[in-house]
Amino acid sequence: KAGVTQTPRYLIKTRGQQVTLSCSPISGHRSVSWYQQTPGQGLQFLFEYFSETQRNKGNFPGRFSGRQFSNSRSEMNVSTLELGDSALYLCASNLAGGVDTQYFGPGTRLTVL
Amino acid sequence: GEDVEQSLFLSVREGDSSVINCTYTDSSSTYLYWYKQEPGAGLQLLTYIFSNMDMKQDQRLTVLLNKKDKHLSLRIADTQTGDSAIYFCAESPWDQTGANNLFFGTGTRLTVIP
Repeated sequence: KAGVTQTPRYLIKTRGQQVTLSCSPISGHRSVSWYQQTPGQGLQFLFEYFSETQRNKGNFPGRFSGRQFSNSRSEMNVSTLELGDSALYLCASNLAGGVDTQYFGPGTRLTVL
Repeated sequence: GEDVEQSLFLSVREGDSSVINCTYTDSSSTYLYWYKQEPGAGLQLLTYIFSNMDMKQDQRLTVLLNKKDKHLSLRIADTQTGDSAIYFCAESPWDQTGANNLFFGTGTRLTVIP
């Protein structure tokens, strides 16, 4: 069974631009969560989608948004990029959400210049 | 909010046992997890323990949970150079919506000396 895939793996943008990252969960998994990893703040939860609905959201500004499609694939969007948005963005999927183990993708490394 | 703490660094000699410790705050956490991250990679799920268990063993890995003290540890037996990585513990607090978001510790960088 294929694992969680994320595209692109690396991205370079400039301040003020916007970016869209994509995540394809493990086949059959319906819940997708997004995390931001930075050296200063560590791993922080962004949001979780289940059956195309955002079910939980972390403490991030409205510039960070996401969505989930009927095939469970998810995208996250960051608008008006800031230097501090440079991070590794990790996507995780699990079967049905709730108390269940999450499996992570390799991440998208975003650099904002 | 949830606060998960780990020591930042651990060095051990190849062949010795490694013990990585973690303290967490949310007693509602149903599962507690250990993830491994190698340089430039995502997170690899190593093992997890259900909150009503005290211990779980999986090959070279032993997880101990002291729920009273909210203390979790990961023991790696016969540590190898390939075990060098950052290890994260994570808790998953119960949420009435059914959501499952993880709160991670700072990570412990394990260095295995040949």
